[in-house]
Amino acid sequence: EAGVVQSPRYKIIEKKQPVAFWCNPISGHNTLYWYRQNLGQGPELLIRYENEEAVDDSQLPKDRFSAERLKGVDSTLKIQPAELGDSAVYLCASSHRDSGNTIYFGEGSWLTVV
Amino acid sequence: QKEVEQDPGPLSVPEGAIVSLNCTYSNSAFQYFMWYRQYSRKGPELLMYTYSSGNKEDGRFTAQVDKSSKYISLFIRDSQPSDSATYLCAMRDDYKLSFGAGTTVTVRA
Repeated sequence: EAGVVQSPRYKIIEKKQPVAFWCNPISGHNTLYWYRQNLGQGPELLIRYENEEAVDDSQLPKDRFSAERLKGVDSTLKIQPAELGDSAVYLCASSHRDSGNTIYFGEGSWLTVV
Repeated sequence: QKEVEQDPGPLSVPEGAIVSLNCTYSNSAFQYFMWYRQYSRKGPELLMYTYSSGNKEDGRFTAQVDKSSKYISLFIRDSQPSDSATYLCAMRDDYKLSFGAGTTVTVRA
């Protein structure tokens, strides 16, 4: 069974440029999460989807971040415009409704803003 | 003050040693307790998950939860070089999963 797939794995952009990250969760997982992990820190939740509905986006900086999960499967996280402080790892994760404590993470998208 | 505090490390131990990792928390609503392992340039991988106070064993790994003290631990017995990674504690209430900052462990051959 394929795990959570993310792309791109690595991205270097100049500040003020846009960037987008894509995530394909594990098949059958209705819950999808985007986390941000800064160097030396644990992941912090940005947004959580139940199917196509964003049920927790309280930590998403909505002035520059946006996310969507069309058809309740794949998801895209966008930053526009990027700032230096956005340099981090963006982790996508998914879980099944019957085992919400078993959250599977992708390998992450490593963003460097210069 | 963060809801989850994790001993910062880093830890360097010889192969075969017991590794002890610790976290404290302040939110009494946390009901579920997990340990994740994260290798360099990889995403976190769930190692162990427990709900109640007490010990849970899985092979060389033992997770310990003390809800009265708001303290959790992970012990790794007979540590191997392949155990070298960052270990993250995580805790969940009804709404969200909160992580510690992680402890980086190096097991020397």
